[in-house]
Amino acid sequence: GAVVSQHPSRVICKSGTSVKIECRSLDFQATTMFWYRQFPKQSLMLMATSNEGSKATYEQGVEKDKFLINHASLTLSTLTVTSAHPEDSSFYICSAGDQGKGNTIYFGEGSWLTVV
Amino acid sequence: QKEVEQDPGPLSVPEGAIVSLNCTYSNSAFQYFMWYRQYSRKGPELLMYTYSSGNKEDGRFTAQVDKSSKYISLFIRDSQPSDSATYLCAIGGGGFKTIFGAGTRLFVKA
Repeated sequence: GAVVSQHPSRVICKSGTSVKIECRSLDFQATTMFWYRQFPKQSLMLMATSNEGSKATYEQGVEKDKFLINHASLTLSTLTVTSAHPEDSSFYICSAGDQGKGNTIYFGEGSWLTVV
Repeated sequence: QKEVEQDPGPLSVPEGAIVSLNCTYSNSAFQYFMWYRQYSRKGPELLMYTYSSGNKEDGRFTAQVDKSSKYISLFIRDSQPSDSATYLCAIGGGGFKTIFGAGTRLFVKA
């Protein structure tokens, strides 16, 4: 079964509103989680690394004020897309690293965001 | 040069064929080697994980790592239409740093 749960799987929001996506590690504590964005037929694009209890580290070109990341506990990281626009519509995927299994990365099921 | 090179395909094979998927990498500091399978509109699923040269088998899947050549492979025996997906190789290092290949799209025709 899934070891990383992501919610919601699909969300539609109006342009200008904010939407929050949750990522939970189910079977292990994750000090580090990652957020990716994926466009159709393209590979994963790392957006940011989420560290429990500290600020996220964003990749170059990713707006930290637009994509707010909070990693408040060892099992939960959230990504909030603020003031969403249609160009933010995409597939967002989180992953978490399990130190107990040789730093293996497990992915969530992904969240489809559509901004109308 | 990308840190991980993977042919994006698409690769189309008949049902029952042996599939060979490959990646090369450039940084020998990475210690972990993974293969993920991603179905359309789903998150990637971990298929195989290894950290040493040689072969690792799990059912119809065999992962092969050759650190001297910096070459990793995934073989799928008796391929099924349900194996149709995108396969991503990944190399990992300390602190969960993981580099993914572009992914190879595989189609297995019934």
